[in-house]
Amino acid sequence: GAVVSQHPSRVICKSGTSVKIECRSLDFQATTMFWYRQFPKQSLMLMATSNEGSKATYEQGVEKDKFLINHASLTLSTLTVTSAHPEDSSFYICSARLAGESGELFFGEGSRLTVL
Amino acid sequence: GQNIDQPTEMTATEGAIVQINCTYQTSGFNGLFWYQQHAGEAPTFLSYNVLDGLEEKGRFSSFLSRSKGYSYLLLKELQMKDSASYLCAVLDSNYQLIWGAGTKLIIKP
Repeated sequence: GAVVSQHPSRVICKSGTSVKIECRSLDFQATTMFWYRQFPKQSLMLMATSNEGSKATYEQGVEKDKFLINHASLTLSTLTVTSAHPEDSSFYICSARLAGESGELFFGEGSRLTVL
Repeated sequence: GQNIDQPTEMTATEGAIVQINCTYQTSGFNGLFWYQQHAGEAPTFLSYNVLDGLEEKGRFSSFLSRSKGYSYLLLKELQMKDSASYLCAVLDSNYQLIWGAGTKLIIKP
């Protein structure tokens, strides 16, 4: 199946710093990628939809100036958490959608962010 | 509003069969997914149904009834490694995925 690689898998940073998470589709082109956040014991929450070559579409309640998304190529989307705070500590997961009728999603391995 | 309902937690015995139900109410329907998620890991794709009926894939099967807004995931010959959360998700008319909260499946020896 298609492979999505996410990096880094774990990151610890100090409050106030910025962290970049990369999401790459390794063997297919993804015009659309999705960024999710998952807090402990809760379901995945869609943060934003990233379309190659255009601005991301953010879900209600997600600060676009805080969570910067760049989808510069058909195989790479990045999420930058700017001026991170402890409440931003979470599991961030990206997924990429295969073109075609099924719209099957493939997920990255996830990135666990801990902000001290 | 859009809503996906599935049980919060289920318990089953190793070697047995378990059925996890999912009911949905969404604005449009372009398919239903089941994903498996182990603690601390990303979800992995299990199945996709867009037409009514049963799709079988090894020990796992998924059923869909669009008229009833209902799906189930059937797991046979349960193994300890099947202990995980199982997420039901529906693609709505805008091709956005609407996620259920997940069903935590506990397998006992």
